[in-house]
Amino acid sequence: EVHLVESGGGLVQPGGSLRLSCVASGFTFSNYWMHWVRQSPGKGLEWVANINQDGSETYFEDSVKGRFTISRDNAKKSLYLQMNSLRAEDTAVYYCARGEDVAAASDLDYWGQGTLVTVSS
Amino acid sequence: DIQMTQSPSSLSASVGDRVTITCQASEGIGKYLNWYQQKPGRAPKLLIYDASNLEIGVPARFSGSGSGTHFTFTISSLQPEDIATYFCQQYYNLPLTFGGGTKVEIK
Repeated sequence: EVHLVESGGGLVQPGGSLRLSCVASGFTFSNYWMHWVRQSPGKGLEWVANINQDGSETYFEDSVKGRFTISRDNAKKSLYLQMNSLRAEDTAVYYCARGEDVAAASDLDYWGQGTLVTVSS
Repeated sequence: DIQMTQSPSSLSASVGDRVTITCQASEGIGKYLNWYQQKPGRAPKLLIYDASNLEIGVPARFSGSGSGTHFTFTISSLQPEDIATYFCQQYYNLPLTFGGGTKVEIK
């Protein structure tokens, strides 16, 4: 059974940094594109970033470009999101999600339970 | 970026009713459209991919149709366990974008 478990969320001051992690199990992690999607409290879903199987391709939503970095460690079956220069508008539940094996843009067929990031002074 | 406009934003219906949600893309996306269900406090769950294909294990009362810019999601007979928010999502290109969601409640 596929499982994705995020961690690393918490309260951080504006301008601060946070690193989210997502550990995968139940599938061959290294075969899939992986994504981060966020959801502000009571609001809709916003795609944040994705990364290809070997980490050589990454894409970001415009508002996080230059501030967020996505990476992965296939040996550890782990996905990461390094978030720097955090702003109040980055406050959200962050989900990791599994994409496809062939395309950067795809459906997201499995999601983790999410980790809450709160940016506030 | 492709904008996804979903309507209505909320609806209230009785058990057994037919429920329809629409999603309009700001440009043609072929059939690169998915539908998700999100229950309170839970992660989204993929229900329908490629506009009309039911994910394994999803009840047949859920269906989707459409192509290009106009898409429809239907629950043929609303059940109490269907109370949730439903989102459409395009994957024609990056950035992936989602509709604003439709909150479905029981009347």
